[in-house]
Amino acid sequence: ETGVTQTPRHLVMGMTNKKSLKCEQHLGHNAMYWYKQSAKKPLELMFVYSLEERVENNSVPSRFSPECPNSSHLFLHLHTLQPEDSALYLCASSQVVNNEQFFGPGTRLTVL
Amino acid sequence: AQKVTQAQTEISVVEKEDVTLDCVYETRDTTYYLFWYKQPPSGELVFLIRRNSFDEQNEISGRYSWNFQKSTSSFNFTITASQVVDSAVYFCALSGMIQGGKLIFGQGTELSVKP
Repeated sequence: ETGVTQTPRHLVMGMTNKKSLKCEQHLGHNAMYWYKQSAKKPLELMFVYSLEERVENNSVPSRFSPECPNSSHLFLHLHTLQPEDSALYLCASSQVVNNEQFFGPGTRLTVL
Repeated sequence: AQKVTQAQTEISVVEKEDVTLDCVYETRDTTYYLFWYKQPPSGELVFLIRRNSFDEQNEISGRYSWNFQKSTSSFNFTITASQVVDSAVYFCALSGMIQGGKLIFGQGTELSVKP
């Protein structure tokens, strides 16, 4: 069983839509992360949550809004996205201290 | 500033060949972690190994081995007797030893193993 799950796996949305990505971890971790992976680019860290508090916002536009209601769940709310936001969005989790992150399968997002 | 460089963008080998993926890093931290992840076509990043900066011992796990050399700031990854299932993008990453620390990824090396 995968320790970190993400839904949906694929999402196509228009620029005026509002959608949410969901991540759930079953590993008992205290930190969760959102990454963006665009073609031919390194993974870009977007947000970090530690013990449900946001500890990092890596200069991400406000059209991306994270939410961490508890240590097992992480959401990324999307609104008025741009075509350049099309990418693979990866969620990860880790124990707070040791930085060993475990990743979900990702959501492949296409913005039309 | 922290940086990870994987100079090899793509590597293609024939099955059973050995292949080494290079990773060079930069950091001002005196203590840090180094990682390798594998990303198969399915998209999920699979954790392979974590090394801390205190421990320069090389590690072997089955067909995988890692060579950590602090003097040259390198953490290279070798696959022995490669198999088609090894085809994936491999990422090297670096982080400081702090709570909730940021992982800095290299650009990745796409390995293609042909039968």
